[in-house]
Amino acid sequence: NAGVTQTPKFRVLKTGQSMTLLCAQDMNHEYMYWYRQDPGMGLRLIHYSVGEGTTAKGEVPDGYNVSRLKKQNFLLGLESAAPSQTSVYFCATEAPGLAEETQYFGPGTRLLVL
Amino acid sequence: RKEVEQDPGPFNVPEGATVAFNCTYSNSASQSFFWYRQDCRKEPKLLMSVYSSGNEDGRFTAQLNRASQYISLLIRDSKLSDSATYLCVVNRNTGGFKTIFGAGTRLFVKA
Repeated sequence: NAGVTQTPKFRVLKTGQSMTLLCAQDMNHEYMYWYRQDPGMGLRLIHYSVGEGTTAKGEVPDGYNVSRLKKQNFLLGLESAAPSQTSVYFCATEAPGLAEETQYFGPGTRLLVL
Repeated sequence: RKEVEQDPGPFNVPEGATVAFNCTYSNSASQSFFWYRQDCRKEPKLLMSVYSSGNEDGRFTAQLNRASQYISLLIRDSKLSDSATYLCVVNRNTGGFKTIFGAGTRLFVKA
């Protein structure tokens, strides 16, 4: 089992370019999350999904869009990248109702916007 | 004020030392609590849950004080491999997304 995978691992963009980050999971978890992590800020939630076909805004959603067309995939889109979006992006999954309520993270995508 | 606050450190300790981290949370509706560990340039991973009665896992002990709204993590007999960032995580039961991560406390264990 691969767990949670993220594609790509690293990307450099120019201001104004667009891109899509892919998160894939094989754990059959209902919930999926996209976070960004910046120095001194901790993990901040961008968008999340509680099931196939549903998405919701998190703490810092501006400049990002998401889609969850299939249960196993959660896509994060940047329509027009800005230097402020330089960050490390983590995807996470969770199976609600389990005692541990643990989130399982992907390895991250490092994005540099010039 | 951040909803979950941690001392960013870094904590620099020698091998074998005991080190303690504290974390405070502001939302009294918070229901469950966790410590995650994050190695440099890696993803966060669950270290342990924090229960009201306190819990221990080998050299690690977690405590919760609901009245004062803080969580602690104690590491005894520190190892070089304990060097990492420790994230305090709080799940709250109010609308919308529920999981809030602290910014983390960095620990360096030196030989």
